[in-house]
Amino acid sequence: AQSVAQPEDQVNVAEGNPLTVKCTYSVSGNPYLFWYVQYPNRGLQFLLKYITGDNLVKGSYGFEAEFNKSQTSFHLKKPSALVSDSALYFCAVRDDNAGNMLTFGGGTRLMVKP
Amino acid sequence: NAGVTQTPKFRILKIGQSMTLQCTQDMNHNYMYWYRQDPGMGLKLIYYSVGAGITDKGEVPNGYNVSRSTTEDFPLRLELAAPSQTSVYFCASSGQLLYEQYFGPGTRLTVT
Repeated sequence: AQSVAQPEDQVNVAEGNPLTVKCTYSVSGNPYLFWYVQYPNRGLQFLLKYITGDNLVKGSYGFEAEFNKSQTSFHLKKPSALVSDSALYFCAVRDDNAGNMLTFGGGTRLMVKP
Repeated sequence: NAGVTQTPKFRILKIGQSMTLQCTQDMNHNYMYWYRQDPGMGLKLIYYSVGAGITDKGEVPNGYNVSRSTTEDFPLRLELAAPSQTSVYFCASSGQLLYEQYFGPGTRLTVT
């Protein structure tokens, strides 16, 4: 069965500093990986995805993520955090051996302080 | 284009009542999904559809039903509401299976 872990409930970072939000996954086949962001009282918004190809994926709002197959990780990164990046971030995975379901991690709250 | 719309935004139900959560998308997407999000938790898939007339169970389908008579609409039915169904419900759609999903704004449901 596919699964996703986001080991940190909350990440705190100062504005202007780099940020990393961690995600590890478990699949039996090839992984398709996604990052979404959720602002208060809103639905999830797509940030970026890895399907195949280059391990470094660039997405919306200056975010990027690195796919690491040996470590089964897909950490979200941004070189310089903004206060407006404060939100709830979800990693999700689909196993190409496991049908149509997308499995989400429990979410990580990012707090960027001025 | 409005994307994915959901109604109502909020609803309070008594135990045993029934209701339908509406979801409509105007992007001509084949795939549509219903998720629930409990406090402090990730999203869990309730049901999904790969096209009009085709639906399938997700991870937590018990207590819910769906139908997909058109490409645009994917309503979620709660027949006998229970307190365990108190949650925020999100509808989503995608153009293809590997494509990103677009989410609606959610319906906050309380069952008392």
